[in-house]
Amino acid sequence: QSALTQPPSASGSPGQSVTISCTGTSSDVGGYNYVSWYQHHPGKAPKLMIYDVTKRPSGVPDRFSGSKSGNTASLTVSGLQPEDEADYYCSSHAGGHNLAFGGGTKLTVL
Amino acid sequence: EVQLVESGGGLVQPGGSLRLSCAASGLTISNYWMSWVRLAPGKGLEWVAIISQDGNEKFYVDSVMGRFTASKDNAKNSLYLQMNSLRAEDTAVYHCARYPYFGATYFDYWGQGNLVTVSS
Repeated sequence: QSALTQPPSASGSPGQSVTISCTGTSSDVGGYNYVSWYQHHPGKAPKLMIYDVTKRPSGVPDRFSGSKSGNTASLTVSGLQPEDEADYYCSSHAGGHNLAFGGGTKLTVL
Repeated sequence: EVQLVESGGGLVQPGGSLRLSCAASGLTISNYWMSWVRLAPGKGLEWVAIISQDGNEKFYVDSVMGRFTASKDNAKNSLYLQMNSLRAEDTAVYHCARYPYFGATYFDYWGQGNLVTVSS
């Protein structure tokens, strides 16, 4: 059982927006502004999409955005494109050297 | 271009050992804290081990403490994970990943992973 809770699946049609949630506790998500999101196409290297809750690395489209409220963080993908279909994992600092991860959400572009 | 390439995985019996390698190019691992992160079938990601720039500081998740050892060979620009007393629950794809700076709470580069299967 993963430390952070994500819905197992999410879906949307091309051009639509979809939001993936990531729920933790006050010891991780709620306690720090250090939530990150990774996109993973199975068999490939995971890719950093969002860090420090809202920041986007260079090269990541601004269609991807992050937010947080209390113990729940969210990743929103706007203007869905076929290449966005992948698994998405959230992660949060959890004190010391600990990182908590979510169980992953499979995003399907219909 | 930064690349991290894992190798050394495979099928091993419970109680056995394996040594994973992670060869880095496009970055000098002696400048970075590095980590091993695994993805077990049907489960989420889990960080396994962290190792400092000089290799002298190491931290492990409780479930592998005393069984796994992370190391670095800065001359070979490579990272290693020695896994002993393997259990079925260690079955996973193991990725190496880079912290962009000391104190970062995320990984900016990952390898594509290497499968370790523990089964009789």
